[in-house]
Amino acid sequence: KAGVTQTPRYLIKTRGQQVTLSCSPISGHRSVSWYQQTPGQGLQFLFEYFSETQRNKGNFPGRFSGRQFSNSRSEMNVSTLELGDSALYLCASSLEGGLASYEQYFGPGTRLTVT
Amino acid sequence: AQKVTQAQTEISVVEKEDVTLDCVYETRDTTYYLFWYKQPPSGELVFLIRRNSFDEQNEISGRYSWNFQKSTSSFNFTITASQVVDSAVYFCALSESGRRALTFGSGTRLQVQP
Repeated sequence: KAGVTQTPRYLIKTRGQQVTLSCSPISGHRSVSWYQQTPGQGLQFLFEYFSETQRNKGNFPGRFSGRQFSNSRSEMNVSTLELGDSALYLCASSLEGGLASYEQYFGPGTRLTVT
Repeated sequence: AQKVTQAQTEISVVEKEDVTLDCVYETRDTTYYLFWYKQPPSGELVFLIRRNSFDEQNEISGRYSWNFQKSTSSFNFTITASQVVDSAVYFCALSESGRRALTFGSGTRLQVQP
């Protein structure tokens, strides 16, 4: 079974621009979560989507948004990029139902650099 | 609010040594889930184990073992006979019942020297 895939793997953007990152979950997984990893703040939860609805949200400004499609694929968008948005963005997917649904499987991440 | 503390920032051992990575957590929930993830230099987080708060049984998987102690709010991870391939950053994480959001510790970088 293929793992979580994320595109693109690397991205360089300029301050003020916007960016869209994409995530395809493991086949059969319907929940998708996004995390930001930076050297200063570590790994932080951004949001979780299930059945095309945002189910949980972390403590990030409104510039960070996401969505999920009917095939469970997800995108996250960051508008008006700031230098501090430079990070590794990780997507994770999980099953729905049962204790195993708490296990999240991560993709390789998208490395975003804002200049 | 929940919190995960990994006090060891970096550990360096020589191959074949045993090493224990510490994890202490805080949560007000009575039902919660604890995890360990491995992040090799490639960057992808690899799931290692999930432990439920209502199951304090320790677990062994090959060279890996986990010690969950609710009384001390700890969930420690031991690698027996470490190998160079074990070199990575290891993260302990917590999620509360009903939520998939993981709260991560700051990670412990393990370097295994040949």
